[in-house]
Amino acid sequence: SQQGEEDPQALSIQEGENATMNCSYKTSINNLQWYRQNSGRGLVHLILIRSNEREKHSGRLRVTLDTSKKSSSLLITASRAADTASYFCATDVFQGAQKLVFGQGTRLTINP
Amino acid sequence: EAQVTQNPRYLITVTGKKLTVTCSQNMNHEYMSWYRQDPGLGLRQIYYSMNVEVTDKGDVPEGYKVSRKEKRNFPLILESPSPNQTSLYFCASSLHTSGVSYNEQFFGPGTRLTVL
Repeated sequence: SQQGEEDPQALSIQEGENATMNCSYKTSINNLQWYRQNSGRGLVHLILIRSNEREKHSGRLRVTLDTSKKSSSLLITASRAADTASYFCATDVFQGAQKLVFGQGTRLTINP
Repeated sequence: EAQVTQNPRYLITVTGKKLTVTCSQNMNHEYMSWYRQDPGLGLRQIYYSMNVEVTDKGDVPEGYKVSRKEKRNFPLILESPSPNQTSLYFCASSLHTSGVSYNEQFFGPGTRLTVL
């Protein structure tokens, strides 16, 4: 898998349900960040979780990090139509130089 | 309001005609970066800058130039655009902590470039 690879690529759920997206990576990280992008617009930062943290919350968002499995998950609870967007994870890694590497994203659709 | 601005937002041009996309941030951030976003390829970094007069190549720098003469501005220059540079471009900025880890990135609204 690539560094910062999201799964699934697309997810469609009903409003009110919970949405879970996963991110897997290959090399050790300093931190992992989640971003949201509404169609064709700039990315918006959601949460940053450091390598020594296991879980963080922000409103309806819950992010977990399992460094032993090199994976993270983003949970959105009680989804709303406005949550429809693409979600990206970004890993802070060293690849010849310190880099922030973005995955290809999960396209989330919330159906009313 | 803290923000990253990009201009123009939309641009249609022809092969070989030099163009510049401007990027400006008002948050006194040291780090600035340019990305391009293409379907199926995700977000790829073009160039980045750790501070004034310090720039480095990202993953896809060919065909692009940048400069960082002032802290707030980081223009992207396409000297001779080609159709394969048709893409959605984003500028981003952040505070930078001693080259150790990346902080929250603030993104501009994007520039949709079409090269005919």
